[in-house]
Amino acid sequence: AQKITQTQPGMFVQEKEAVTLDCTYDTSDQSYGLFWYKQPSSGEMIFLIYQGSYDEQNATEGRYSLNFQKARKSANLVISASQLGDSAMYFCAMRLTGGTSYGKLTFGQGTILTVHP
Amino acid sequence: DSGVTQTPKHLITATGQRVTLRCSPRSGDLSVYWYQQSLDQGLQFLIQYYNGEERAKGNILERFSAQQFPDLHSELNLSSLELGDSALYFCASSVAGREQFFGPGTRLTVL
Repeated sequence: AQKITQTQPGMFVQEKEAVTLDCTYDTSDQSYGLFWYKQPSSGEMIFLIYQGSYDEQNATEGRYSLNFQKARKSANLVISASQLGDSAMYFCAMRLTGGTSYGKLTFGQGTILTVHP
Repeated sequence: DSGVTQTPKHLITATGQRVTLRCSPRSGDLSVYWYQQSLDQGLQFLIQYYNGEERAKGNILERFSAQQFPDLHSELNLSSLELGDSALYFCASSVAGREQFFGPGTRLTVL
């Protein structure tokens, strides 16, 4: 079974600084995808970034980048130039790309990010 | 706006009752997923449908059932409700199983 671990229950960052949110995963499958979602206090789940297990380059989407270290099974999210609107819960998730588990996302417990002015 | 719609936004009901949550996926998305988010269990996968057929099942209780209709909208039925079923229920959709786009959720409160 696959597992996602986010060891930081809460993180604080100063506005305009960069912050790294940690995520480690566990799976014996070779083919999988890694995702980050943002959940603001309003409750919706917002897709941020995706990394495939065979992607050689780290994924980037605007101010978000994913530091993918396959051998260490880590997929950390880096947010550059933090903004007040980045304050939210952040979830790391994994999806296997084969077998009967195809498609479902397995989520970590989340990290609450607070951006200070 | 993800393009996934869910109704109702809030639902308050009593123990023992039955409710139906509705989801309309993004245009063109064939896969629909249901997730439950609660304080003690976190975000958990319940069930997936692909083009009308059940594709995968997670830790979905026997009291819960779902279906996907020919127009691709999906319904999640929760029956014999218990206090512990109070949670935020999300529907998500995707095309080829890559990014899943989530609806705004239905917040269920069982009193």
